[in-house]
Amino acid sequence: LAKTTQPISMDSYEGQEVNITCSHNNIATNDYITWYQQFPSQGPRFIIQGYKTKVTNEVASLFIPADRKSSTLSLPRVSLSDTAVYYCLVGELQGGKLIFGQGTELSVKP
Amino acid sequence: EAQVTQNPRYLITVTGKKLTVTCSQNMNHEYMSWYRQDPGLGLRQIYYSMNVEVTDKGDVPEGYKVSRKEKRNFPLILESPSPNQTSLYFCASSLRGRGTQHFGDGTRLSIL
Repeated sequence: LAKTTQPISMDSYEGQEVNITCSHNNIATNDYITWYQQFPSQGPRFIIQGYKTKVTNEVASLFIPADRKSSTLSLPRVSLSDTAVYYCLVGELQGGKLIFGQGTELSVKP
Repeated sequence: EAQVTQNPRYLITVTGKKLTVTCSQNMNHEYMSWYRQDPGLGLRQIYYSMNVEVTDKGDVPEGYKVSRKEKRNFPLILESPSPNQTSLYFCASSLRGRGTQHFGDGTRLSIL
């Protein structure tokens, strides 16, 4: 499993775009990148998953450069309800062990 | 409704009294997993199961047992709980392996 490194915390204001970067220098050929969101005392919730280039869904975009050694989760126009911890995970989809790491605590202020 | 159900949601018990936290999913998922979450330590995987009768250790398996006798259920067993197992526990499932994980609402265990 590739080790991931994320900022421990980030601050933002309502309406801004937030970019959270995850570093995964040892990513393997078959590894995918997955992001989860977790609110206090709730289970994590899947946000987005990708392998290369750009993936977009109704809540976020995921940018993955050609070397795949990092990825950036982009949250457009955040609101107070986006205040949460965001986790980046890297691994083969068929594998079993999952390592969530510390995550990035995003605080959105009015 | 597709969901992962954990029971109980809250439990206060005493050291050494065996307990079981149940986890059930209704999505016919092959993969199920247990995590514990502690302040400052994030989510740590306890055990996972790739399919029925197949279980394997995660990062922090000591003091826990699991079984996967049927696809939908994956109970977490603490045979002799100790205070250092006081934590928030989550069960999760996915169609296969590290695919999209669906989490339960959590079980808060306090062991005195």
